Amino acid sequence: EDKVVQSPLSLVVHEGDTVTLNCSYEVTNFRSLLWYKQEKKAPTFLFMLTSSGIEKKSGRLSSILDKKELFSILNITATQTGDSAVYLCAVEDDTDKLIFGTGTRLQVFP
Amino acid sequence: EADIYQTPRYLVIGTGKKITLECSQTMGHDKMYWYQQDPGMELHLIHYSYGVNSTEKGDLSSESTVSRIRTEHFPLTLESARPSHTSQYLCATQEVSSTDTQYFGPGTRLTVL
Repeated sequence: EDKVVQSPLSLVVHEGDTVTLNCSYEVTNFRSLLWYKQEKKAPTFLFMLTSSGIEKKSGRLSSILDKKELFSILNITATQTGDSAVYLCAVEDDTDKLIFGTGTRLQVFP
Repeated sequence: EADIYQTPRYLVIGTGKKITLECSQTMGHDKMYWYQQDPGMELHLIHYSYGVNSTEKGDLSSESTVSRIRTEHFPLTLESARPSHTSQYLCATQEVSSTDTQYFGPGTRLTVL
């Protein structure tokens, strides 16, 4: 059965810290891996990764995929209170379905 | 930015009532999805559609039904709501191109008493 596992489940840090969120997966017919940020509403898209070893960056956020070891990491540097959210990892298969992990809840305190 | 609308945003209703959750989009995307999410849990696909008159059940068994008469609308109906239906329901759209991500609506939080 396809599954996506995220760790840690919850993380509390101070502003300025760097965090790394992990996502491992077992999905047949893998197409892409996506990261979402979810606050008090529906998830918003962060990154889509399809190729191993190519880092994607957006400001203080970056992500990379390892298709051999079947995992991805999401890095956030110099965290801010506005980064507090649940970060969801999802894997898309070749039928366009998304299999989500449970998410990592990040809390950033001043 | 994607324009996806879900109404109502919040709904509290009694057991046995029939409800319809609305999802509409203005982007002309062919693919639409309904997900159910409980707090701290994964999003589970309950229905999807690849275009007008196309509907399929997702991975999570659901007592809801959907219809896709027009591209813009993908309503979800519960004939008889029960407390076990209490959850957040997320609608998403996607273009036909396989490289496009899914865009999510704001969600409907349903509470059945």
